[in-house]
Amino acid sequence: EAQVTQNPRYLITVTGKKLTVTCSQNMNHEYMSWYRQDPGLGLRQIYYSMNVEVTDKGDVPEGYKVSRKEKRNFPLILESPSPNQTSLYFCASSLSGAGTGELFFGEGSRLTVL
Amino acid sequence: DQQVKQNSPSLSVQEGRISILNCDYTNSMFDYFLWYKKYPAEGPTFLISISSIKDKNEDGRFTVFLNKSAKHLSLHIVPSQPGDSAVYFCAASYNNNDMRFGAGTRLTVKP
Repeated sequence: EAQVTQNPRYLITVTGKKLTVTCSQNMNHEYMSWYRQDPGLGLRQIYYSMNVEVTDKGDVPEGYKVSRKEKRNFPLILESPSPNQTSLYFCASSLSGAGTGELFFGEGSRLTVL
Repeated sequence: DQQVKQNSPSLSVQEGRISILNCDYTNSMFDYFLWYKKYPAEGPTFLISISSIKDKNEDGRFTVFLNKSAKHLSLHIVPSQPGDSAVYFCAASYNNNDMRFGAGTRLTVKP
């Protein structure tokens, strides 16, 4: 089954404790991206990647890192999480970009930073 | 700086009637516009898109209209069904990379 898988789905952590949210897709997609969803703000793009070893900042990259060492995986790293990073995070992938290609989303990872 | 705005947080319509969801944008560089639908506890799913060179795209019960001069697009659902109840996000893309979403409109279709 074609899918985008995120882990963990739920996480409660404390300020400053590094964490990684993994994202994996099995559709051989070139494009992958991360979004956060906050009430009243919709989905905001954090980082995106057009291909292996190619990553770029989105709308709200501060406090986040990503890597794209292999095509299927695109982990999101919070080196020193803060309470304002409490949010619902979505990973997405597409065959050919964010506009012309349909984005497939994971089920989301709800992160709480105390 | 919200470049894509959905000014109606919620919309309620009767089953069988038309649902019209609206979206405004500010950046004239956007070249693709999309609508995504989201059910609770699931990720958004793609619904329909339109290129900036077109003014209408239709797919079954769903039609998207684009008015570039007004920087406005709308999604029409006819006829509306209870299964259409979800949050709808308008999105706009620039250069196939940068994607901006609106805040979403919660549609409720009453039986």
